[in-house]
Amino acid sequence: QKEVEQDPGPLSVPEGAIVSLNCTYSNSAFQYFMWYRQYSRKGPELLMYTYSSGNKEDGRFTAQVDKSSKYISLFIRDSQPSDSATYLCAMSPFTGNQFYFGTGTSLTVIP
Amino acid sequence: NAGVTQTPKFQVLKTGQSMTLQCAQDMNHEYMSWYRQDPGMGLRLIHYSVGAGITDQGEVPNGYNVSRSTTEDFPLRLLSAAPSQTSVYFCASSSDRDRGTEAFFGQGTRLTVV
Repeated sequence: QKEVEQDPGPLSVPEGAIVSLNCTYSNSAFQYFMWYRQYSRKGPELLMYTYSSGNKEDGRFTAQVDKSSKYISLFIRDSQPSDSATYLCAMSPFTGNQFYFGTGTSLTVIP
Repeated sequence: NAGVTQTPKFQVLKTGQSMTLQCAQDMNHEYMSWYRQDPGMGLRLIHYSVGAGITDQGEVPNGYNVSRSTTEDFPLRLLSAAPSQTSVYFCASSSDRDRGTEAFFGQGTRLTVV
């Protein structure tokens, strides 16, 4: 079993829709949870990070972590065509390195 | 501000050849890592370093070698290339100063082994 599971999609939504992206994990030692966005033929860029359980909001993006269920989510409100990318969840038991990534979910927002 | 720079961007190798993928960062980050990205597999950690002179293996280290003689550079060596090493390789750096949760990635090296 992979340490981090993520539905690869692809996911296609109309502009303005609410998008929900999810990951599950098996390692209870994970404390840091991150979402990266990767445009085609580019390196991943950090979108949001959360420490331990709880919610975090940044503009149109909300990250949720439920450690009891080993489940994390990223919500995108009022989705835009510029949000079309692959979204990767990542986790780590401590700061610095050894990030464990999901396989990524490909998202297309249709104008 | 360059961030993380990887060279080359593209490379084609013949089976059995060796080569070095270069990675340099100018952010004075102590942590550097190499990942490979394959369809359906996501990003998998090959090797990582917590500082100059210190390296360790990640999830998929076989067939790769690393060294870290300076804070800035973290080259990845393919000892004898195999078709299974066809992939996109990403170098990343991070620092505890930035909470350690943001890994800055390079643009990637697309490697094909024929």
